[in-house]
Amino acid sequence: EVQLVESGGGLVQPGRSMKLSCAASGFTFSSFPMAWVRQAPTKGLEWVATISTSGGSTYYRDSVKGRFTISRDNAKSTLYLQMNSLRSEDTATYYCTRERAPIAAISYVMDAWGQGASVTVSS
Amino acid sequence: DIVLTQSPALAVSLGQRATISCRASQSVSISRYNLMHWYQQKPGQQPKLLIYRASNLASGIPARFSGSGSGTDFTLTINPVQADDIATYYCQQSRESPPTFGGGTKLELK
Repeated sequence: EVQLVESGGGLVQPGRSMKLSCAASGFTFSSFPMAWVRQAPTKGLEWVATISTSGGSTYYRDSVKGRFTISRDNAKSTLYLQMNSLRSEDTATYYCTRERAPIAAISYVMDAWGQGASVTVSS
Repeated sequence: DIVLTQSPALAVSLGQRATISCRASQSVSISRYNLMHWYQQKPGQQPKLLIYRASNLASGIPARFSGSGSGTDFTLTINPVQADDIATYYCQQSRESPPTFGGGTKLELK
């Protein structure tokens, strides 16, 4: 069974940093691109970032470019999201997701989701 | 960015057909590939992939869910609607980066 378990969320002050982790199991982690998707309270879904299978290619939405860094450790089957210079508008539940990848290419189709990690940016 | 527009809510009766629409601000189709996907999110839960590339059922999804459409207009159909289907449904395009989601359609009981 595919499992994605996020950790590292909580309350953080504006301008500070936070790092989310996502432990993956039940599939060959290194064969799938991975992504983070967020959802602000009572709002819709918003793609944040994607990383290729090797970690050599990363993609970000404009509003987080230069502030967030997505990375992965294939040996540990773990995905990360380093978030710096946090703003109130980054407050959301952050979902770790696996991208559907029949040929290991980036698809931007999320076929497995974690339960989410809540991040609140407030003073 | 490609904007996806969905109606905020739809009221249906159990056992009836529900049709949820999604309109894109520009075509999300490339050749024979329609790059529109559908997700279901129940309250307090994470989203779940239902349909990928407009009409392909994701693994484990019941056959009462189906999808259709091309270009800018897409439809998710649930027939017949069961109590377990009460949720919010999101469309999402992967034609261009950034991938974008519609605002969601909340399926409610009539």
